[in-house]
Amino acid sequence: EAQVTQNPRYLITVTGKKLTVTCSQNMNHEYMSWYRQDPGLGLRQIYYSMNVEVTDKGDVPEGYKVSRKEKRNFPLILESPSPNQTSLYFCASSTGRTSEQYFGPGTRLTVT
Amino acid sequence: GQNIDQPTEMTATEGAIVQINCTYQTSGFNGLFWYQQHAGEAPTFLSYNVLDGLEEKGRFSSFLSRSKGYSYLLLKELQMKDSASYLCAVPDNYGQNFVFGPGTRLSVLP
Repeated sequence: EAQVTQNPRYLITVTGKKLTVTCSQNMNHEYMSWYRQDPGLGLRQIYYSMNVEVTDKGDVPEGYKVSRKEKRNFPLILESPSPNQTSLYFCASSTGRTSEQYFGPGTRLTVT
Repeated sequence: GQNIDQPTEMTATEGAIVQINCTYQTSGFNGLFWYQQHAGEAPTFLSYNVLDGLEEKGRFSSFLSRSKGYSYLLLKELQMKDSASYLCAVPDNYGQNFVFGPGTRLSVLP
């Protein structure tokens, strides 16, 4: 089954404790993205990747890191999480930026 | 950069027709997407318009006017399961990033 998976689905952590949210897709897609979704602000792109070893900032990259060492995986790293990073995070993949994006189920992160 | 605007909320009755508007301002244009998102779930793709005009897909249709920076999503024969948020989105022409509008939350009442 074609899908995008994210782990964990729910995470409660404390300020400053490094965490990684994993994202994996099995569709051989080149383009992958991370978004955060906050009430009233909609979906905002954090980082995206056009292909392996090619990543770039979206609209809200501060406080986040990503890597793309393999085509299928695109982890999101929060080196020192802060409460303003409490949000719902989605990973997505597509064949290109003008193609339909497939979204993962989301990761609800709470930073206290 | 992009600026995308949508109404925040809409309400309609089961069986009716509803039109959800989206206006955008971009420095370039590479098409416009509509996604549906049920509460607590991931967005799912509905449509993609790159040329002017109406594209029909079952009960859902999407219209685009590039000269006016305007699109709408038309939902016919509304069903309760159509209660969801509808997101308008455009890829950035100069970068490779992707910008979503704030979304319109549609409530379908019996």
